[in-house]
Amino acid sequence: GENVEQHPSTLSVQEGDSAVIKCTYSDSASNYFPWYKQELGKRPQLIIDIRSNVGEKKDQRIAVTLNKTAKHFSLHITETQPEDSAVYFCAASILAAGNKLTFGGGTRVLVKP
Amino acid sequence: DSGVTQTPKHLITATGQRVTLRCSPRSGDLSVYWYQQSLDQGLQFLIQYYNGEERAKGNILERFSAQQFPDLHSELNLSSLELGDSALYFCASSRPGGANTGELFFGEGSRLTVL
Repeated sequence: GENVEQHPSTLSVQEGDSAVIKCTYSDSASNYFPWYKQELGKRPQLIIDIRSNVGEKKDQRIAVTLNKTAKHFSLHITETQPEDSAVYFCAASILAAGNKLTFGGGTRVLVKP
Repeated sequence: DSGVTQTPKHLITATGQRVTLRCSPRSGDLSVYWYQQSLDQGLQFLIQYYNGEERAKGNILERFSAQQFPDLHSELNLSSLELGDSALYFCASSRPGGANTGELFFGEGSRLTVL
């Protein structure tokens, strides 16, 4: 089955700096790569996703890049703000196969004011 | 509000007991997924149902079982509970098929504490 590795496990940045989280996946058939943000005590919520036919996608301060050949994808957050502090999870799935998401281990991001 | 409803929100029970967690998916969603999140851990996939049928199975223990009913709500049954079963159990739903955007909508979770 699919295996998703995520690094780093914790990330501390100064407000205004950029944060980068990297993930690798094992199943070359995976074609959907979402990122979820989970604030303390809350449910995971989708913040951005990318499909395998796209190399990069951006939404305001967040962007995701995908390298299918290397089987890795990354989340970039620019101009970080205190409200970006949360746990971020990457995931991978095969959309046509029911979209069972396999999650990475998570990255705890702390943005220091 | 994601539209996914989970009950109960909190549950405290003793080792050896059995509990049932309930999930109502978003209106129109046919797929229900169950995930387990232990303290400071990631989201471990347990099982997926699609329109009443089991679709995919993860590392779900034999002591755990689930089903999806004709009205599409789902229940996760946990039996012979152990201390290590203490976790936050999330239900998520999606709408596979032509309208599938890929997004899973998570409920608020059911926090299980086994003493």
